[in-house]
Amino acid sequence: ELKVEQNPLFLSMQEGKNYTIYCNYSTTSDRLYWYRQDPGKSLESLFVLLSNGAVKQEGRLMASLDTKARLSTLHITAAVHDLSATYFCAVEVGNQFYFGTGTSLTVIP
Amino acid sequence: GAGVSQSPSNKVTEKGKDVELRCDPISGHTALYWYRQSLGQGLEFLIYFQGNSAPDKSGLPSDRFSAERTGGSVSTLTIQRTQQEDSAVYLCASSPLQYNEQFFGPGTRLTVL
Repeated sequence: ELKVEQNPLFLSMQEGKNYTIYCNYSTTSDRLYWYRQDPGKSLESLFVLLSNGAVKQEGRLMASLDTKARLSTLHITAAVHDLSATYFCAVEVGNQFYFGTGTSLTVIP
Repeated sequence: GAGVSQSPSNKVTEKGKDVELRCDPISGHTALYWYRQSLGQGLEFLIYFQGNSAPDKSGLPSDRFSAERTGGSVSTLTIQRTQQEDSAVYLCASSPLQYNEQFFGPGTRLTVL
């Protein structure tokens, strides 16, 4: 059974600090996606990583993919309150997308 | 442009009733996906369509669940004889190609009493 594990599940951090969210998966895939979900809202696409070594950055968020280690990271730089949300990674295998359980991020002023 | 839309946004039904959930994908998107999200959980893949065909239905939780897509556009997810454990948010997503990022709709919150 394919597993997609995120850690931490819950993250409380102060504004201005840096932190990394990890996404480990248990099968071969070179396609990984990161999404953001605000409370009561749907999912918003953040990053699409389509090859080993892919790195993408948008504002204070940077995502990377290491397909050999089956690991993706989402790095947060100098967090601000607006980044508070739940972040999901998703691995694409064949025709299916497997989502992690999510990391609930709270940025404290 | 218009995003993915879903209707109804909320549905409350009694146990044993049938429900139909609708998804209107972004125009021109060939791939369409259905997911279920239970409270505080991640997303559970249900089914995906490429055009009007559904190559993989293995994610559907039981034979009470079915889905169809017509004209390569609108899709409906039908749940027959609903049970309380069916209560969840049902999300639809579409993408322009099979292997590409997905654009999610706002979801339908289903509550089975």
